[in-house]
Amino acid sequence: EDQVTQSPEALRLQEGESSSLNCSYTVSGLRGLFWYRQDPGKGPEFLFTLYSAGEEKEKERLKATLTKKESFLHITAPKPEDSATYLCAATTGTASKLTFGTGTRLQVTL
Amino acid sequence: DAGVTQSPTHLIKTRGQQVTLRCSPISGHKSVSWYQQVLGQGPQFIFQYYEKEERGRGNFPDRFSARQFPNYSSELNVNALLLGDSALYLCASSFPGAGSVGQYFGPGTRLTVT
Repeated sequence: EDQVTQSPEALRLQEGESSSLNCSYTVSGLRGLFWYRQDPGKGPEFLFTLYSAGEEKEKERLKATLTKKESFLHITAPKPEDSATYLCAATTGTASKLTFGTGTRLQVTL
Repeated sequence: DAGVTQSPTHLIKTRGQQVTLRCSPISGHKSVSWYQQVLGQGPQFIFQYYEKEERGRGNFPDRFSARQFPNYSSELNVNALLLGDSALYLCASSFPGAGSVGQYFGPGTRLTVT
């Protein structure tokens, strides 16, 4: 059974304090690894798709990386507006089914 | 450009009732998927539809059903509602046949079953 595990469950950072979120996956034949941001009561907002080990993608203060077993979301010099839940998901095969982790709740304080 | 839209935003139903949720995908997207997100958890896959045909089904009871229309919009139906069906129901759309390309989610429908 495909599994995606995220850690930590919650993370509190001060503004400017860089850190990384972890997503480990156990799936048969990874086709894509996705990162989403979700604000309370809203739908997930697409951030990145990674396809193969060694791939990296960046967007503003966020950088996502992928290895054969896990993915990291690096947050550099975060700001309070980066506070949200960050979700990781994996897909296999040709179907669009996403298997999600439970997310990391990030809080960035002044 | 309009994103994925869902209606209604919020819904309160009583146990045993039936509910229909609606979704309109991004223009040009032909695949629609439905997810259930319970508070504090990640979304769980319910269905995927592509070109009006069911292409995937998650581990949900037969009380859950869906369909896709010629304009690629979709409905999710849940019969005989249980308290445990209370959740945020999310619709996502993607490019045709692009299983490994990002899916774009709507704002969700918050269903409360009392």
